[in-house]
Amino acid sequence: QVQLQQWGAGLLKPSETLSLTCAVFGGSFSDYYWSWVRQPPGQGLEWIGEINHSGSTDYNPSLKSRVTISLDTSKNQFSLKLSSVTAADTAVYFCARGRRDAYNFVYAFDIWGQGTMVTVSS
Amino acid sequence: DIVMTQSPDSLAVSLGGRATINCKSSQSILYSSNNKNYLIWYQQKPGQPPKLLIYWASTRESGVPDRFSGSGSGTDFTLTISSLQAEDVAIYYCQQYYNSPPTFGQGTKLEIK
Repeated sequence: QVQLQQWGAGLLKPSETLSLTCAVFGGSFSDYYWSWVRQPPGQGLEWIGEINHSGSTDYNPSLKSRVTISLDTSKNQFSLKLSSVTAADTAVYFCARGRRDAYNFVYAFDIWGQGTMVTVSS
Repeated sequence: DIVMTQSPDSLAVSLGGRATINCKSSQSILYSSNNKNYLIWYQQKPGQPPKLLIYWASTRESGVPDRFSGSGSGTDFTLTISSLQAEDVAIYYCQQYYNSPPTFGQGTKLEIK
């Protein structure tokens, strides 16, 4: 049973850097794409970006200038850093596994972390 | 970005009744080379992450009850719950991953009437 376990600081001040890590337990790291998705309180879902096992990344253009996703294959972990946070970055942040098909499309986020509430407040 | 628009925003259905949620994409998400629509449906309950229900518009994820079904192609898609159970109360989201960035609909809140 594959599980994603995530952790990181839950309270930040404006201008600080958000940092979260997601560990993959019980499954292959190399056959999938690994994403971060966020959800502001009471709102919908927003994709932040992804990384694959070789370290190639893709980011949402709306956040690209502030986002870095990295991985540590030796630990089966991937991480998110979001710089210069503001109150608008207050959200629950999820890590998720992306399943890809033979055409290299990610066709489903099939396993999700439990979510981390991050609050930005002075 | 591809815009995903769901309707209705909320829906109340009687236990045992049929629930229908629609999702429209701002452009086609059908890949002609494999005839697959890159449309995904999720269910989210309070305090939980989204749960994968359906991918490729109509393929049910393993373990998902067969009362959940997806249909549609191109730009118009539907999630149907054939016989609503109490545990189906949730918010349902559609998502496309035909183009990056992947985008989600705004969600449809499903309640019991």
